[in-house]
Amino acid sequence: QVQLQESGPGLVKPSETLSLICTVSGGSVNSGSSYWSWIRQPPGKGLEWIGYIYYSGSTNYNPSLKSRVTISLDTSKNQFSLKLNSVTAADTAVHYCARLTTMAGSWYLDLWGRGTLVTVSS
Amino acid sequence: EIVLTQSPGTLSLSRGERATLSCRASQSFSSTYLAWYQQKPGQAPRLLIYGASSRATGIPDRFSGSGSGTDFTLTISRLEPEDFAVYYCQHYGSSPLTFGGGTKVEIK
Repeated sequence: QVQLQESGPGLVKPSETLSLICTVSGGSVNSGSSYWSWIRQPPGKGLEWIGYIYYSGSTNYNPSLKSRVTISLDTSKNQFSLKLNSVTAADTAVHYCARLTTMAGSWYLDLWGRGTLVTVSS
Repeated sequence: EIVLTQSPGTLSLSRGERATLSCRASQSFSSTYLAWYQQKPGQAPRLLIYGASSRATGIPDRFSGSGSGTDFTLTISRLEPEDFAVYYCQHYGSSPLTFGGGTKVEIK
């Protein structure tokens, strides 16, 4: 079955760039009904959608983060990645990669990675 | 942006009781765009319900979803020990995708 796995540094300094990769196994990122997404969750708080990328390369970002976010796709490695620049302590969170699926007009996150904590601190 | 408000913040119930969780939207939208998730400590969220009332694969039938317009409900008919967790509603019919703040279902 399809699985997602996040990887990347667990500690980033303020003002630097947070970079994470999500590796998709058991399936292909070239799926027409899948939108490859990033969601984050600050410790003890709720979920925040960061954005997604489609296999065509089109992206959609949360306006609250749009100026700092880039999501890209590497089909040769079956991976997608997240870059968030100019980070502050407020960006400390568990970051999840997930599959946003659309079917019959519904949109839902039906597959999640286990998440990785990224702490912003000097 | 559609804002989702979940209530109550915490629900204290006993095993076997019925849980009713509310998700209210800042503006009306099609029920097609509403999903529910369960999250346990240290775990990723798990999809329970999509399209407001369709159970995801492998979800027990004690979980049900309903609602339309601005008011949506997740009901757990009889709480089992593994159901004590945090539940989130989520909307995506127009960008951005948004989540409610969550309802914690705790053991009384």
